[in-house]
Amino acid sequence: AQSVAQPEDQVNVAEGNPLTVKCTYSVSGNPYLFWYVQYPNRGLQFLLKYITGDNLVKGSYGFEAEFNKSQTSFHLKKPSALVSDSALYFCAVRPSGTYKYIFGTGTRLKVLA
Amino acid sequence: NAGVTQTPKFQVLKTGQSMTLQCAQDMNHEYMSWYRQDPGMGLRLIHYSVGAGITDQGEVPNGYNVSRSTTEDFPLRLLSAAPSQTSVYFCASNPESSGNTIYFGEGSWLTVV
Repeated sequence: AQSVAQPEDQVNVAEGNPLTVKCTYSVSGNPYLFWYVQYPNRGLQFLLKYITGDNLVKGSYGFEAEFNKSQTSFHLKKPSALVSDSALYFCAVRPSGTYKYIFGTGTRLKVLA
Repeated sequence: NAGVTQTPKFQVLKTGQSMTLQCAQDMNHEYMSWYRQDPGMGLRLIHYSVGAGITDQGEVPNGYNVSRSTTEDFPLRLLSAAPSQTSVYFCASNPESSGNTIYFGEGSWLTVV
């Protein structure tokens, strides 16, 4: 079965430190990969996506993600975390040839001042 | 700049009552979908539509109905509410092209007592 895994329920990081939120996937073919962020009592907002090309994708608010085909991973990164980055982050995959998105269970990021 | 609009934002229902969650988008997107978000389970697809007059079931369709009479609107009906349907519901839309981003509404918080 096709799936997306976010192995960490929560990630804590000190402000100013680099952060990584992990995502791995299990789908056939060449999927499209996405990261979304959700702030309290709000909908999901798009951060970035990988379709093709350079494995390092840059997105909103200084976030970037690295696509690794051999490890089927798409980890979200930021060089220097801000307290305002604290939120719930979702990885999503859209298998090629389909119009359905598969979401991970989410990772709560807490940036400590 | 409305995007995806959901109503109501909050609703309390009694077991057995029916109700409709409204969703409208003004981006002329072909695809629309409904998700529910539950703690530790991420987003699960309830129903989706690839165009007016066409709907299909997602991962957790039981207890819900949808229709798509126009491109803009995609209401979700709870036929006979159950406490297990207490959740946060998100409507989303996206263009047909595979690599395109999915856009979410702000969510509807539903409690069934």
